[in-house]
Amino acid sequence: ELKVEQNPLFLSMQEGKNYTIYCNYSTTSDRLYWYRQDPGKSLESLFVLLSNGAVKQEGRLMASLDTKARLSTLHITAAVHDLSATYFCAVASRNNNDMRFGAGTRLTVKP
Amino acid sequence: KAGVTQTPRYLIKTRGQQVTLSCSPISGHRSVSWYQQTPGQGLQFLFEYFSETQRNKGNFPGRFSGRQFSNSRSEMNVSTLELGDSALYLCASSLPPTRGGYNEQFFGPGTRLTVL
Repeated sequence: ELKVEQNPLFLSMQEGKNYTIYCNYSTTSDRLYWYRQDPGKSLESLFVLLSNGAVKQEGRLMASLDTKARLSTLHITAAVHDLSATYFCAVASRNNNDMRFGAGTRLTVKP
Repeated sequence: KAGVTQTPRYLIKTRGQQVTLSCSPISGHRSVSWYQQTPGQGLQFLFEYFSETQRNKGNFPGRFSGRQFSNSRSEMNVSTLELGDSALYLCASSLPPTRGGYNEQFFGPGTRLTVL
């Protein structure tokens, strides 16, 4: 069974600092997603990573994928308050739309 | 392009009742997936429909069911509601998988169900 582990589950950062969220998964997969969720809101797609070594960046967020290690990272650079949200990684296989989500990382960026 | 819409947005029911939630996918999307989100269990996959057929199913009891219509709109039904069914129910739509491609899912705003 596909399992997805995210850590940390809670992250409190000061503005301007850097940090990394980790996402490990248990079986072979070729699609990994990162989503953002604000309180009371739905999920917003951030990144889709499709191949080993894939790296994508948007603003202060950068995501990477290592399929051999079954690991994806979401790196936050020089955090700002607007990044406060819960971040989820999700994994699915090529022919299966059954996505498994990590537990989420609740990020709080403090001034 | 309109996004995924879900109705109703909020719903309050009592134990033992049944409920039907609706999801209209993005135009052209034929795959619809349903998820349950709770503080304790997180985001859990319920089922996925494509071309009016259930393709995948998560580990939920038979009280949870769904269907998809020819226009790709989908409904999910929960019968004999329990307190633990209180959750945010999210619907996501996507294009069907293509050879060598991927099917990014786009989520609707969700239906917040409260069972009293």
